[in-house]
Amino acid sequence: DSGVTQTPKHLITATGQRVTLRCSPRSGDLSVYWYQQSLDQGLQFLIQYYNGEERAKGNILERFSAQQFPDLHSELNLSSLELGDSALYFCASSVGRGPSTDTQYFGPGTRLTVL
Amino acid sequence: AQKVTQAQTEISVVEKEDVTLDCVYETRDTTYYLFWYKQPPSGELVFLIRRNSFDEQNEISGRYSWNFQKSTSSFNFTITASQVVDSAVYFCALSESSGGYQKVTFGTGTKLQVIP
Repeated sequence: DSGVTQTPKHLITATGQRVTLRCSPRSGDLSVYWYQQSLDQGLQFLIQYYNGEERAKGNILERFSAQQFPDLHSELNLSSLELGDSALYFCASSVGRGPSTDTQYFGPGTRLTVL
Repeated sequence: AQKVTQAQTEISVVEKEDVTLDCVYETRDTTYYLFWYKQPPSGELVFLIRRNSFDEQNEISGRYSWNFQKSTSSFNFTITASQVVDSAVYFCALSESSGGYQKVTFGTGTKLQVIP
């Protein structure tokens, strides 16, 4: 158990809908990262927040947004969902500012299925 | 543009054999970071190692070792005396700054099967 929690574990929804994925980092970690793993795109880094502020951005679509709240949990919002958004979404956390200096601890992932 | 190539899609070895997973990267930056992650059949991701571009010293952690060679843009991962528990997909990744942001690119992964 990494100490990173993600909810829900599974999510099934329809095209055009909007969903919110939630991540709680390990106690004491200030950074939260979001990754997407799909059969088509492989593993992709989406975005990182450090202590409430956006720190790094990867291949995140405009339909997707994220934020990190004062209690350091983070939410990833996916809107206007398409079939291709079906994927496993991982959250990770670390103590410091970025993957360049920190060990990342991953949550179990949220499996999103868009029908 | 940065790129990470893991040419080996799948590798099968018999338990106790040594195995090397290859990772070749492309980047224009002089400062960058390389990573390896493990994804066992259960699906979770596990961070294994991080290396910055200024540190070419090889690293050993138990049965795992990493060989970083800037001259060939490679960051290879060797498992010595492989075990069934090493069966997993292994991802290599590259992180560099781009427009003030850290950009992370993953390879397509190498699936390692260790046969008992």
